[in-house]
Amino acid sequence: DAKTTQPNSMESNEEEPVHLPCNHSTISGTDYIHWYRQLPSQGPEYVIHGLTSNVNNRMASLAIAEDRKSSTLILHRATLRDAAVYYCILGGGYQKVTFGIGTKLQVIP
Amino acid sequence: DSGVTQTPKHLITATGQRVTLRCSPRSGDLSVYWYQQSLDQGLQFLIQYYNGEERAKGNILERFSAQQFPDLHSELNLSSLELGDSALYFCASSVEGFEVENEQFFGPGTRLTVL
Repeated sequence: DAKTTQPNSMESNEEEPVHLPCNHSTISGTDYIHWYRQLPSQGPEYVIHGLTSNVNNRMASLAIAEDRKSSTLILHRATLRDAAVYYCILGGGYQKVTFGIGTKLQVIP
Repeated sequence: DSGVTQTPKHLITATGQRVTLRCSPRSGDLSVYWYQQSLDQGLQFLIQYYNGEERAKGNILERFSAQQFPDLHSELNLSSLELGDSALYFCASSVEGFEVENEQFFGPGTRLTVL
């Protein structure tokens, strides 16, 4: 199974950009890169996904390396409500979906 | 509100018992996923069903089983419960399987406590 590697935790100051990295060196050509986040006491929620090109939506941007072995989730202006665990996962093929531990983002006022 | 419902919200039971967790997917979603989240192990994928059939299996114990019914709701059965089975159990649904780009919508979870 293709796996992802993320830092266990990160800190950011409020209203500053946050770059959350994810390594996925064994990604296959058909795997989409998905990002989810889990706010305290809630189920995970979808943030963004992409295949090869960088993607933007109202929540965040996703920057995908040219070789697709890594990606970065960008929150343009962190708010206190962005404090959550962020998961980078790969979807594609009949494979197990592995969320792992994720990155716990702390936003400092 | 994701549109995915899970019942019950909380469940307290004793070791050795059997429980059933229920999930109703979003209207129109054919895939249902079950996850277990314990404090020290993050979010672990258990099993996926698509339109009534098992599609993918993760780290699901033999004491656990699941099924998806013709109306697409799903049940996760946990038997011979152990203290270590205490966790949050999430159900998620998607339009099709995760082998395409569909996002998953998660329910609020069922908190299982085994005493």
